[in-house]
Amino acid sequence: KAGVTQTPRYLIKTRGQQVTLSCSPISGHRSVSWYQQTPGQGLQFLFEYFSETQRNKGNFPGRFSGRQFSNSRSEMNVSTLELGDSALYLCASSLLPDRLGEQYFGPGTRLTVT
Amino acid sequence: AQKVTQAQTEISVVEKEDVTLDCVYETRDTTYYLFWYKQPPSGELVFLIRRNSFDEQNEISGRYSWNFQKSTSSFNFTITASQVVDSAVYFCALSASSGGYQKVTFGTGTKLQVIP
Repeated sequence: KAGVTQTPRYLIKTRGQQVTLSCSPISGHRSVSWYQQTPGQGLQFLFEYFSETQRNKGNFPGRFSGRQFSNSRSEMNVSTLELGDSALYLCASSLLPDRLGEQYFGPGTRLTVT
Repeated sequence: AQKVTQAQTEISVVEKEDVTLDCVYETRDTTYYLFWYKQPPSGELVFLIRRNSFDEQNEISGRYSWNFQKSTSSFNFTITASQVVDSAVYFCALSASSGGYQKVTFGTGTKLQVIP
């Protein structure tokens, strides 16, 4: 069974640009959650999508958005990038929403904003 | 408000020693979930366990065990006979409802180094 894949693995953007990250969950999983990890703020929950609907969200500004497609693949978009958005972005997939099922994480996308 | 405290920033143990990672949480919700995750040097998070607030039974999985005590708001994680492969950063997390959403709060992590 293929694991969770995230593309791209590394990304360099400049301030003010926008970026789209992609996450393909394990086949059959309908829940995809996104997390941001930075040295300063640690691990933070961004949002969760389940069956194409945003089910949960963390405390992030509206510049951070996401969506989920009918095949459960999810994309995360960050507009008007700021230096502080530099982070490792992790996604996790699960059979069940609300972290009720076992979560499987992807390798992450390392975003650097210059 | 939710809060998760992992007071141990870094721990070093010699291989085969037992080690306990502490996690103390705060929440006003009566229904919540607690988690432990492992992040090895490769960076990929690994889910270890989920425990709901109504289940205070301790759990053992191989060399891993978890002690959940609501009375002290703690969810500690013990590794028995530690191995070098256990070297990683371990995160404790809390998930509870907030305004109709499940809010997730992570601790700052404990870096465990197992010395051969």
